[in-house]
Amino acid sequence: DADVTQTPRNRITKTGKRIMLECSQTKGHDRMYWYRQDPGLGLRLIYYSFDVKDINKGEISDGYSVSRQAQAKFSLSLESAIPNQTALYFCATSDRLAGETQYFGPGTRLLVL
Amino acid sequence: SQQGEEDPQALSIQEGENATMNCSYKTSINNLQWYRQNSGRGLVHLILIRSNEREKHSGRLRVTLDTSKKSSSLLITASRAADTASYFCATFDSNYQLIWGAGTKLIIKP
Repeated sequence: DADVTQTPRNRITKTGKRIMLECSQTKGHDRMYWYRQDPGLGLRLIYYSFDVKDINKGEISDGYSVSRQAQAKFSLSLESAIPNQTALYFCATSDRLAGETQYFGPGTRLLVL
Repeated sequence: SQQGEEDPQALSIQEGENATMNCSYKTSINNLQWYRQNSGRGLVHLILIRSNEREKHSGRLRVTLDTSKKSSSLLITASRAADTASYFCATFDSNYQLIWGAGTKLIIKP
């Protein structure tokens, strides 16, 4: 969905480095999510936010932090990257009023060496 | 933990044939959704079926839901090369989080 953008699209980093993945949306949705996807697996929820002042941990939040800078922006940080955080990361949005459908960004492919 | 489990893990059929994928889940649900993912890209919502619905259609897609068996199926009729993708089912848990299955990888052979 072109209305949900993620930067960078690809990132290679070293163990111990702090990195930030950014997500922006122009859909006007109040809810935003961060997922990771590992090869051959479905998505696992890292963090989600139902509005700017609401941040919630998902299934696998350890080693990650998030910031909801504005309704349209939701950033994911890896404080000290480790190799098993190598994965494909997706941001998604949804609208509380429109229902449960989620709209995804194109993903960020992260490699931690 | 993954709520949904798709079956089969991989499916290869000839163009024009129908493709059926199944999803089983563990807990009671309000709705079940199907998404498509083209290789390495973001997921795209296909269809949502609510717990009080048994069948739903959208174009060449037909979804069924059997809450007594905690299962759903996605049928794609008259498959096309562009249908080659991975297909995921997802359900909401009690915390209003979408829980995803591991997906079915569908390959349409020309």
